[in-house]
Amino acid sequence: DAGVIQSPRHEVTEMGQEVTLRCKPISGHDYLFWYRQTMMRGLELLIYFNNNVPIDDSGMPEDRFSAKMPNASFSTLKIQPSEPRDSAVYFCAAGDRATDTQYFGPGTRLTVL
Amino acid sequence: QKEVEQNSGPLSVPEGAIASLNCTYSDRVSQSFFWYRQYSGKSPELIMSIYSNGDKEDGRFTAQLNKASQYVSLLIRDSQPSDSATYLCAVNYNDMRFGAGTRLTVKP
Repeated sequence: DAGVIQSPRHEVTEMGQEVTLRCKPISGHDYLFWYRQTMMRGLELLIYFNNNVPIDDSGMPEDRFSAKMPNASFSTLKIQPSEPRDSAVYFCAAGDRATDTQYFGPGTRLTVL
Repeated sequence: QKEVEQNSGPLSVPEGAIASLNCTYSDRVSQSFFWYRQYSGKSPELIMSIYSNGDKEDGRFTAQLNKASQYVSLLIRDSQPSDSATYLCAVNYNDMRFGAGTRLTVKP
């Protein structure tokens, strides 16, 4: 089974533009997590889903951020409008609650100019 | 106080030595503890999980947990240059909380 797939791997955009990050989780793992990683703040949990339902979005920094999981095999994280301070690496991770283990995707490196 | 604390390093050890990485956490109800390794420019990779007090060994890696002291550590025996990476401690509350990571360098 393939691991977590994220796209795009790199995204460069201008301030004010809409950005959509995509994630295809590992089948059979019913938890999906979105993280953001920066040098200053480390790895931060943004939101997580269980069986496609958002459980906790308290880590989402502001209303410009939204996430959806329309089905078990796909999730998106959208930033609209984007700002330079959103520049970071965004990771999607698939989770197994039985063991609390998480498997990370390769990440999307976002640069907002 | 941060929920999960790690010494940011860098920690430098010679090849073949034991590397000791430490982590403290603030929530006494945590039940699951993890060590992830992250190479530069890559995603975190799970290397150890531990759920009960004591030691857990996996190859050259040993995780140690002391819930009374709210302390979890990772020992890497016979350190290799390929072990050079940032090691993230993670603690599960209702969701996963990560430490800032300790950067380890193993010198040949």
